[in-house]
Amino acid sequence: AQTVTQSQPEMSVQEAETVTLSCTYDTSESDYYLFWYKQPPSRQMILVIRQEAYKQQNATENRFSVNFQKAAKSFSLKISDSQLGDAAMYFCAYQTDYGGSQGNLIFGKGTKLSVKP
Amino acid sequence: GAVVSQHPSWVICKSGTSVKIECRSLDFQATTMFWYRQFPKQSLMLMATSNEGSKATYEQGVEKDKFLINHASLTLSTLTVTSAHPEDSSFYICSALLGAGAFFGQGTRLTVV
Repeated sequence: AQTVTQSQPEMSVQEAETVTLSCTYDTSESDYYLFWYKQPPSRQMILVIRQEAYKQQNATENRFSVNFQKAAKSFSLKISDSQLGDAAMYFCAYQTDYGGSQGNLIFGKGTKLSVKP
Repeated sequence: GAVVSQHPSWVICKSGTSVKIECRSLDFQATTMFWYRQFPKQSLMLMATSNEGSKATYEQGVEKDKFLINHASLTLSTLTVTSAHPEDSSFYICSALLGAGAFFGQGTRLTVV
């Protein structure tokens, strides 16, 4: 079975600084997707960024970028120029790619990010 | 982007009664939807997978007779908590598959008194 591990229960960053959230996963599959979701105090789950396992290039979305190391099964999220609105719970998630259909998302335990003004 | 609407956002019910939570995909068809439960300061725990036109698949330890799931159309899945008890109080979230990834409803806070 696939597992997702987030080893940092809490992280803190100064506004405008950069922070990196860690995520490792375990799988024997070759085709899958990885995600970072953000859950602010409203508890609405928001997709931050997505990475296809077959792509070597790291995904980026504005201030958010990932460092995807497939061999090491590592998938970290870097937030640049942190803003107060980035404060939230961040979940790393794994999804199997069945080649035309996808399975459910498997979540890590989350990292609570605080942003200091 | 894809929108998933979950209703109600919060509900209080008396012990022993049933509560229905709706999850709708507003601008796309969702063959597969998922129902999660989230305890305070914890991750999302998958309860069941809901497939349109077929029976839901429940995760181990989830009582299917207590948490009834119906996915009668491509845009609507419902979760009914039957004979609710205080220990069922929690935050319930639905999501719908769309390509790779999933889009989530706003969640429902259920309080059983």
